Amino acid sequence: EVQLVESGGGLVQPGGSLRLSCAASGFSFSTYWMNWVRQAPGKGLEWVANVKQDGSDKHYVDSVKGRFTISRDNAKNSLFLQMNSLRAEDTAVYYCARGQSGSNDGHSEYWGQGTLVTVSS
Amino acid sequence: DIQMTQSPSTLSASVGDRVTITCRASQTIISWLAWYQQKPGKAPKLLIYEASRLESGVPSRFSGSGSGTEFTLTISSLQPDDFATYFCLQHYFYPLTFGGGTKVEIE
Repeated sequence: EVQLVESGGGLVQPGGSLRLSCAASGFSFSTYWMNWVRQAPGKGLEWVANVKQDGSDKHYVDSVKGRFTISRDNAKNSLFLQMNSLRAEDTAVYYCARGQSGSNDGHSEYWGQGTLVTVSS
Repeated sequence: DIQMTQSPSTLSASVGDRVTITCRASQTIISWLAWYQQKPGKAPKLLIYEASRLESGVPSRFSGSGSGTEFTLTISSLQPDDFATYFCLQHYFYPLTFGGGTKVEIE
């Protein structure tokens, strides 16, 4: 059974940093693109970033470029999102989602339950 | 960035109704579109991928169609479990972008 379990969310002050983790199990982690998607309270979904199977290719939404870094540790079946210079508008539930196994990413079939990040003073 | 315009934003319907939700892309995305269902406090659930392919385990009352810039999600006979919010997602260009969502409410 595919499982994705996010952790690391919490309350942080504006300008602060947070590192999210996603522990993956039930599939061959190193063969899939992985994504972070977020959802602000009461709002829609926003794709944040993804990373290729070997970590060699990464993509970000413009609003987080230069502040967030996606990474993965295939030996530990883990995905990460380092978030720096956090802003109030980064407040959201952050979901880890499994992408595709090919050379290009696509739709995400499996999602974690999310971890809440609140940026507030 | 590709803008995904989803309509309507809210839809009131009754059990047994046929429901159609539309997503329009600001430029062609071929057929690289997925549909998700989300219930409050839960992660999105994949329903349709590549515009018209039904995800395994999803009831056949759900169907998707379209290509290029216009896509539809149809629920042929709305069931009580279908009252939820639906999102489309394009994954042809970066950044991947979602539609704004359609909340299907009980009439």
